[in-house]
Amino acid sequence: ETGVTQTPRHLVMGMTNKKSLKCEQHLGHNAMYWYKQSAKKPLELMFVYSLEERVENNSVPSRFSPECPNSSHLFLHLHTLQPEDSALYLCASSQASSSGGSTDTQYFGPGTRLTVL
Amino acid sequence: AQSVAQPEDQVNVAEGNPLTVKCTYSVSGNPYLFWYVQYPNRGLQFLLKYITGDNLVKGSYGFEAEFNKSQTSFHLKKPSALVSDSALYFCAVVNFNKFYFGSGTKLNVKP
Repeated sequence: ETGVTQTPRHLVMGMTNKKSLKCEQHLGHNAMYWYKQSAKKPLELMFVYSLEERVENNSVPSRFSPECPNSSHLFLHLHTLQPEDSALYLCASSQASSSGGSTDTQYFGPGTRLTVL
Repeated sequence: AQSVAQPEDQVNVAEGNPLTVKCTYSVSGNPYLFWYVQYPNRGLQFLLKYITGDNLVKGSYGFEAEFNKSQTSFHLKKPSALVSDSALYFCAVVNFNKFYFGSGTKLNVKP
C-alpha cells in the first residue's frame, strides 16, 4: 500500500464544512481514480484522470470537486456534504494506454473513512 | 447491463479446506478479468489477473483463478484456506476500457 497513499485516513465533518482528501501515487502511473465504497454496495467510480485530464465524471454531485495538479497527486474537495455521503473514499492509480484507456491493473490506497454529521 | 456478478454475499469455509469464490461476467469480446482482496479498513489489493493465454492464473498468497469462456466465469480458488484469508474479495472486468467491480464476497475462514 505504500505505492498509493491517502490522507487523512479518517475524517469527521459537519454538513457546512469544507475539507479536502489527498491522494499521492509513487508508482509512475499516469491515470488516477476516485471511488466511493459504501456498505453492501458495489464500488462506485466517481472520477478518472488520465494524463492529468479529467476523462470521466460519473454523475457525481457538484459538492464533490476533484483536482489533479500533476500525474502524482489527486485531490477531492468536499463542501456542504450530506450524511449519505459518509463512506470509504478510495484512490487508485494505473498506467493508461496512449488512447487513454484504463485496462491495466489499478493499485489502491488505504482509503479515507469519511463521516458526515 | 451488469458486467460482473458475484452471486454469493458470503462464503464460509473451514481452515484447511479448499475455497471457491465465484464470479461471472458479461462483456463482448475478450475480457480482462481481475481479483482484488480488501482487508478491514484497508484499500483493495491486487491478487491476480487474466488477459490472455493459460486459463489458469496463479496469483498472490496461493490464490488462483480459472477463466472459463464457455461459462463466462472467473472463479477464485485456493486449495487450502487460512484464517488469515478472511476478507472481502472483489472480481472486476474491463469493458470498453472501463473497470467494473462486483459487489464483493465476504470470505470467512473458521479455525
